[in-house]
Amino acid sequence: ETGVTQSPTHLIKTRGQQVTLRCSSQSGHNTVSWYQQALGQGPQFIFQYYREEENGRGNFPPRFSGLQFPNYSSELNVNALELDDSALYLCASSLDRAMNTEAFFGQGTRLTVV
Amino acid sequence: SQQGEEDPQALSIQEGENATMNCSYKTSINNLQWYRQNSGRGLVHLILIRSNEREKHSGRLRVTLDTSKKSSSLLITASRAADTASYFCATDRGSNYKLTFGKGTLLTVNP
Repeated sequence: ETGVTQSPTHLIKTRGQQVTLRCSSQSGHNTVSWYQQALGQGPQFIFQYYREEENGRGNFPPRFSGLQFPNYSSELNVNALELDDSALYLCASSLDRAMNTEAFFGQGTRLTVV
Repeated sequence: SQQGEEDPQALSIQEGENATMNCSYKTSINNLQWYRQNSGRGLVHLILIRSNEREKHSGRLRVTLDTSKKSSSLLITASRAADTASYFCATDRGSNYKLTFGKGTLLTVNP
């Protein structure tokens, strides 16, 4: 197991609601990235935080937002949930924001939007 | 959009056999990584190969990289039932900040 912890593990929300997912990064890692994985697909990059600043963003709308705290833990917030937001959300921490070293993934949060 | 494409999409073998999975990508990379995912859970890093490397080994794993063909292969030797999982390749494009994953290969190892 990696030292990356995500909460909650499962979540059911109604369309239009808002959700906050949390991630504790591995000790010593200052970079956290978030990915969305739809069923049967590979993970898709949402955004990355490095030392509390957003360092890069994928092709996701502004209703996907995030935060990184001084202890390098992170939150992913999704507003106005849509059915297509149902997916496994993965958090990854790394030593290197340029992804030249391995990323350590948490077990994910399974979000279901009904 | 997904940078890598794994081939085959699914592979079923018997315990003890070797499993080979391939990955193709479209643009220049700095490194390529392979990850394993069990039953829709978190990804586990297997191996990272840099663009100036051609082959790398880790235990029963052997990874090759051919930058001229923009392709990589993952070989698992003497497979075990516990190797049953989805395997993904992911690429990094240097100054970029993200990993771009393929759709994965679902490997089933039958006892």
